[in-house]
Amino acid sequence: DQQVKQNSPSLSVQEGRISILNCDYTNSMFDYFLWYKKYPAEGPTFLISISSIKDKNEDGRFTVFLNKSAKHLSLHIVPSQPGDSAVYFCAASDSGAGSYQLTFGKGTKLSVIP
Amino acid sequence: NAGVTQTPKFRILKIGQSMTLQCTQDMNHNYMYWYRQDPGMGLKLIYYSVGAGITDKGEVPNGYNVSRSTTEDFPLRLELAAPSQTSVYFCASRLSGQPQSYEQYFGPGTRLTVT
Repeated sequence: DQQVKQNSPSLSVQEGRISILNCDYTNSMFDYFLWYKKYPAEGPTFLISISSIKDKNEDGRFTVFLNKSAKHLSLHIVPSQPGDSAVYFCAASDSGAGSYQLTFGKGTKLSVIP
Repeated sequence: NAGVTQTPKFRILKIGQSMTLQCTQDMNHNYMYWYRQDPGMGLKLIYYSVGAGITDKGEVPNGYNVSRSTTEDFPLRLELAAPSQTSVYFCASRLSGQPQSYEQYFGPGTRLTVT
């Protein structure tokens, strides 16, 4: 029973264009969402997050959009750069659980083509 | 400031052997977590700790044990290793006391193969 779903295993984008990574969730108790970036043989690194009280959060080239009614969030990267090539994980948390544990999707491998 | 460190980086175990994966953080974080990542899958929570002396099970705790005697260290013990435990293991930590800060900091991982 996957509570966080990333339905696209991979995505290829030309350098300079926009990358859009999608994530859906089923647990309505989730109220905080994060995106992590992972390079091979390294641990995930935090990229950007959004609380359920917001519908958009922006940090430089990265913007996360949240549509609570659709239980959907997306990560936009503009412009995409070759160094953005990595696996991106969507994660969600239920603040009421107290443990701040994260539930992860399976990841989307982004390839930015020079 | 080294962040979250994990040892060893790689290990091959025979079925039935046991081992301890080490995790240390120097950020004075109260919360610590152990995840495993199987090929093509997301990270799944094994165990977590909200402070020294307090641990609890995550989604996939069977076959593992943890202890938390200090704030810095959170070792993961595998008893009677099985091929199903072949995976990459990540340790993470989080600072408590910061409202709306869910960010976890991850170590580089331990790649474990059980044959």
